[in-house]
Amino acid sequence: AQSVTQLGSHVSVSEGALVLLRCNYSSSVPPYLFWYVQYPNQGLQLLLKYTSAATLVKGINGFEAEFKKSETSFHLTKPSAHMSDAAEYFCAGAGSYQLTFGKGTKLSVIP
Amino acid sequence: NAGVTQTPKFQVLKTGQSMTLQCAQDMNHEYMSWYRQDPGMGLRLIHYSVGAGITDQGEVPNGYNVSRSTTEDFPLRLLSAAPSQTSVYFCASSPGQGRAFFGQGTRLTVV
Repeated sequence: AQSVTQLGSHVSVSEGALVLLRCNYSSSVPPYLFWYVQYPNQGLQLLLKYTSAATLVKGINGFEAEFKKSETSFHLTKPSAHMSDAAEYFCAGAGSYQLTFGKGTKLSVIP
Repeated sequence: NAGVTQTPKFQVLKTGQSMTLQCAQDMNHEYMSWYRQDPGMGLRLIHYSVGAGITDQGEVPNGYNVSRSTTEDFPLRLLSAAPSQTSVYFCASSPGQGRAFFGQGTRLTVV
């Protein structure tokens, strides 16, 4: 069965600090991996998508993620956190259509 | 562009009542799905459809019904609401390769 695991349900960083949100996937997860962001009381927005074209994927708002097959990981990073990055982040894997989500990581940014 | 439109945004139901959550998309996507989001659980798939007239169950289908008579619409029916169905419900549509477009969500409370 497919599974996506996010390590840490809540991460706090200071404004300007590195953001690192961790995601590991099971080896049976098909080739598409995603990070979605959810701002309070809103739906999910696509942050970035891995489709095997390149292992380092750049997304919106300065975020990027690196696919590491040997570690079955797809961690999300941003060099310098901004207050507006406070949100919940979901890692997800998919075949053609169906998405399997991790449980989410809530990011707090401390001024 | 409307994208994926969900109505209503908020709803309070009494235990045992039935209701329909509406979802419409204008992107001509064949694949549509319903998720529920609960704290600490991520998003869990309720039902999905790969085209008009075709639906199937996801991870948590009990207590919910769907139909897909047109490409555009994918309503979710709660047959007899229970407090355990208090949640935020998201509808999504997909053009494939795992990419999903989400509605803004329906926050449902069952008392």
